[in-house]
Amino acid sequence: DAGVTQSPTHLIKTRGQHVTLRCSPISGHKSVSWYQQVLGQGPQFIFQYYEKEERGRGNFPDRFSARQFPNYSSELNVNALLLGDSALYLCASSLLGVGGISVNEQFFGPGTRLTVL
Amino acid sequence: SQQGEEDPQALSIQEGENATMNCSYKTSINNLQWYRQNSGRGLVHLILIRSNEREKHSGRLRVTLDTSKKSSSLLITASRAADTASYFCATHETGANNLFFGTGTRLTVIP
Repeated sequence: DAGVTQSPTHLIKTRGQHVTLRCSPISGHKSVSWYQQVLGQGPQFIFQYYEKEERGRGNFPDRFSARQFPNYSSELNVNALLLGDSALYLCASSLLGVGGISVNEQFFGPGTRLTVL
Repeated sequence: SQQGEEDPQALSIQEGENATMNCSYKTSINNLQWYRQNSGRGLVHLILIRSNEREKHSGRLRVTLDTSKKSSSLLITASRAADTASYFCATHETGANNLFFGTGTRLTVIP
């Protein structure tokens, strides 16, 4: 079975541009989460989506947005890019427990390396 | 902000030795998970320990959890060069829908 896939693998943008990152979860997983990992730090939570609804949002500005499609794939959009947005963007899918809360392990994709110049 | 902190930040050992990494966190949790990351790529789940568990084993991995001290440890026994990676603890806080990751421990196993 295919794992979580992300595209593109690498991306170079300039300040002020916008970017769209894509993620396909493991078959059968309905929850997708996005994380940002700056070099040398642990991943930080950006969004969680389940059944096309936002279920959680981290401490990120409104320049960051996401959506989930009927096939459970997801897109992360970042507008007005800043140098500080340079990071590895990770997508993770998971099964949900009672009440729609993701309590189990998360399966991560390989990430998209975004460089903002 | 990040929930947990790992200690040490970096660890270098000889192949065959044991490696111990510690994680401290701040709030009430449902479970704590450990992940491995090779060369800044995707994270791989290693083990999950629930808040009502105190110890768990998986192959060469042993995890302990002390909720009174809000701390966990990951022990890798008989380390191999292939264990070289960054290791992160992640907490699932009560009522939250996401994981909070620590700062990571960079483990280097010297052949």
